[in-house]
Amino acid sequence: GQQLNQSPQSMFIQEGEDVSMNCTSSSIFNTWLWYKQDPGEGPVLLIALYKAGELTSNGRLTAQFGITRKDSFLNISASIPSDVGIYFCAGLRIQGAQKLVFGQGTRLTINP
Amino acid sequence: EAGVTQSPTHLIKTRGQQVTLRCSPISGHTSVYWYQQALGLGLQFLLWYDEGEERNRGNFPPRFSGRQFPNYSSELNVNALELEDSALYLCASSPSNYGYTFGSGTRLTVV
Repeated sequence: GQQLNQSPQSMFIQEGEDVSMNCTSSSIFNTWLWYKQDPGEGPVLLIALYKAGELTSNGRLTAQFGITRKDSFLNISASIPSDVGIYFCAGLRIQGAQKLVFGQGTRLTINP
Repeated sequence: EAGVTQSPTHLIKTRGQQVTLRCSPISGHTSVYWYQQALGLGLQFLLWYDEGEERNRGNFPPRFSGRQFPNYSSELNVNALELEDSALYLCASSPSNYGYTFGSGTRLTVV
């Protein structure tokens, strides 16, 4: 089925470092979303992107909707311990299936 | 405003049994989505309900089914449980096509 390729799969960083992760697809999406999931919880929406080229920030988080509509990235600046978790990208196509397709996730671990 | 609520939070069943999971969407949201997240894996789309109708289903066998009630709450039913059905089952709701809001999930363990 439709898949998003999310990388890296895992990251081990020091507190205070910046983080960058991205998602690519062979298909075009109309919407890109970034979620964070803590253990035992459901994913929580961080940033939503609705237009190609759009750059959106939410505090220390910045995400961009790629011009080709086939990719997106998420940056986290000055990481803190509570940033630990799994980050998922998700793409949505308005036509047809209308389901949210998720990347495989990026597991972020922060060393204090 | 209450978020998406799911029940139960945890469930243990034996192989071959049947299970029903429940989801209440955010007030005003008409669409409900079900996802399966096996341990350490990503989210796999199961079902989408909107206005009481099943609109789309993922690549899962027919023993996974569900329904949406007039108040937009939803049930996910899984028959003839198998060990590999052990997972976190997540429900999400949306007022349209944007920004799904997820519940905390139901952790199902099949033994």
